[in-house]
Amino acid sequence: EAGVTQFPSHSVIEKGQTVTLRCDPISGHDNLYWYRRVMGKEIKFLLHFVKESKQDESGMPNNRFLAERTGGTYSTLKVQPAELEDSGVYFCASSQDLGQYSGQFFGPGTRLTVL
Amino acid sequence: GQSLEQPSEVTAVEGAIVQINCTYQTSGFYGLSWYQQHDGGAPTFLSYNALDGLEETGRFSSFLSRSDSYGYLLLQELQMKDSASYFCAVRDPGAAGNKLTFGGGTRVLVKP
Repeated sequence: EAGVTQFPSHSVIEKGQTVTLRCDPISGHDNLYWYRRVMGKEIKFLLHFVKESKQDESGMPNNRFLAERTGGTYSTLKVQPAELEDSGVYFCASSQDLGQYSGQFFGPGTRLTVL
Repeated sequence: GQSLEQPSEVTAVEGAIVQINCTYQTSGFYGLSWYQQHDGGAPTFLSYNALDGLEETGRFSSFLSRSDSYGYLLLQELQMKDSASYFCAVRDPGAAGNKLTFGGGTRVLVKP
């Protein structure tokens, strides 16, 4: 079974540019989460999709961040315009949560550097 | 606010036992998870405690005391490949969701 995949693995952009990150969850997982870790800080929750619906977007830092999950499969996270403080590693995770909790499964992350 | 506290770094030798403590203060609580992350890799799910007590999975065990808002991860018979960062995370119902709130991570360095 393929794990959670993310693309790209690294992205270097200039302040003011736009970047779109993609996440493909484990096939069949209805729950998809975005997290990020900025330098020296803990991993922080951004938002949670159940299928194509946003269940919880309380962690989204501001309106420069837009997440979508059309069709309930893969998800994209767009940052527009990017700022220096957006640099960090963006993780995607997925879970099924049928009956007994079995954890969230994380992708390898996208390392975003804003110059 | 939401906070989880764990030591920043632990060093031990191969074959030793390491205990990583985690204390938490969160608005909601379903359970405590532990994740392992090697440099540049994905956080990997290790264990989950929803109820008080000890859960054992091979060389790794995890403990939870909900009354003390405290848990720990026990790494036994340490191996070089166990050198990694370990995160505790509270499974938080959030806004009717299921988010994880993470601690800052404990870097474990295993020496020969």
